[in-house]
Amino acid sequence: LAKTTQPISMDSYEGQEVNITCSHNNIATNDYITWYQQFPSQGPRFIIQGYKTKVTNEVASLFIPADRKSSTLSLPRVSLSDTAVYYCLVGAPNAGNMLTFGGGTRLMVKP
Amino acid sequence: DAGVIQSPRHEVTEMGQEVTLRCKPISGHNSLFWYRQTMMRGLELLIYFNNNVPIDDSGMPEDRFSAKMPNASFSTLKIQPSEPRDSAVYFCASSSLLYEAFFGQGTRLTVV
Repeated sequence: LAKTTQPISMDSYEGQEVNITCSHNNIATNDYITWYQQFPSQGPRFIIQGYKTKVTNEVASLFIPADRKSSTLSLPRVSLSDTAVYYCLVGAPNAGNMLTFGGGTRLMVKP
Repeated sequence: DAGVIQSPRHEVTEMGQEVTLRCKPISGHNSLFWYRQTMMRGLELLIYFNNNVPIDDSGMPEDRFSAKMPNASFSTLKIQPSEPRDSAVYFCASSSLLYEAFFGQGTRLTVV
């Protein structure tokens, strides 16, 4: 089971781009990288998922280098409403492995 | 679809009582997960089902906890007897793609 390491917390200001990096040195060949967002008093919400290179959707971008030992979630022009905990998950597409959450990164966006 | 529906939203019970948490997954999803979240331990996966069959219950803390999924549209998590250390927010999630799970609003359990 690939272990992930993320910063415990980050601060940013409105309008800035935020990059949250996750380390997963023992990622396996079949593993995907998935990011979730959790607001207070709510369940986590899927943001983005990728296997290699770059993935972009309407919410974020995910950058994965060739060795796949790390990944970076990029949030463009954050707003106060992006204040949340962001989780990086790594695992193969069998359900339990994919959905084991670590400690996450608590992002605080300031005005 | 209304999403994953959990009930009750809040539950306060006395130590020693039986507690049953309920979950209705999104129609068509074949995987269901139960999680527990506390400040100290974060988000813990308790058990997950695939096609109504429990696949991995290694996260269930002890025999006081049990989970069932009698059909594709309903699951329960039962704690008997409940203890104060069981106080937490319990989330249910369902998935069809095995990597994008949809979470319910959670049940906040307080055992006094």
